[in-house]
Amino acid sequence: DAKTTQPNSMESNEEEPVHLPCNHSTISGTDYIHWYRQLPSQGPEYVIHGLTSNVNNRMASLAIAEDRKSSTLILHRATLRDAAVYYCILRDVRRYGGSQGNLIFGKGTKLSVKP
Amino acid sequence: DSGVTQTPKHLITATGQRVTLRCSPRSGDLSVYWYQQSLDQGLQFLIQYYNGEERAKGNILERFSAQQFPDLHSELNLSSLELGDSALYFCASRRGDSGANVLTFGAGSRLTVL
Repeated sequence: DAKTTQPNSMESNEEEPVHLPCNHSTISGTDYIHWYRQLPSQGPEYVIHGLTSNVNNRMASLAIAEDRKSSTLILHRATLRDAAVYYCILRDVRRYGGSQGNLIFGKGTKLSVKP
Repeated sequence: DSGVTQTPKHLITATGQRVTLRCSPRSGDLSVYWYQQSLDQGLQFLIQYYNGEERAKGNILERFSAQQFPDLHSELNLSSLELGDSALYFCASRRGDSGANVLTFGAGSRLTVL
């Protein structure tokens, strides 16, 4: 799978938007971009995923660059509860399912939210 | 509550011992994944089962083994434990065997080997 690069840490203020960047310059046309997050003392939690178009759900928005070499996870109004490690993961859609369904996690970005 | 249940939540044992971690997937999910998270290694994929069959192996040691039972719950067996096996062990489940790869994780089992 193609590799992703994320900043080690970021800080945000409560109730302000947060933009978490992810670079994936070697992404292939069949790679989905997934975001998961891990709150302290909890298991990872799915946030959002997309292929080419920007995506929105109740948790966040995913903005994908036109060349797909980078993406940004957007939390519209950060809360203290959003303090977590955010993982950007690429997964080849041709390898979904079966023996290739597992996700490979990197180091992620540790987001701190200040009140 | 994610719907994925892991027991025990905490486990303290000694080197050389054997432990079993249990995972009950979300209702209807057929795939179960095991991950290990230690401070220096991050989240490492160990093994995956789908409907009772092993589907993929990651960085799983030979001292570790797993299985998925007919009722779809899974167990991860860790034997001849070493200090370095101290970690959080997460189980995740997924609905099927194709489509979007959204995993639902449990809260984890924290293993401490003394």
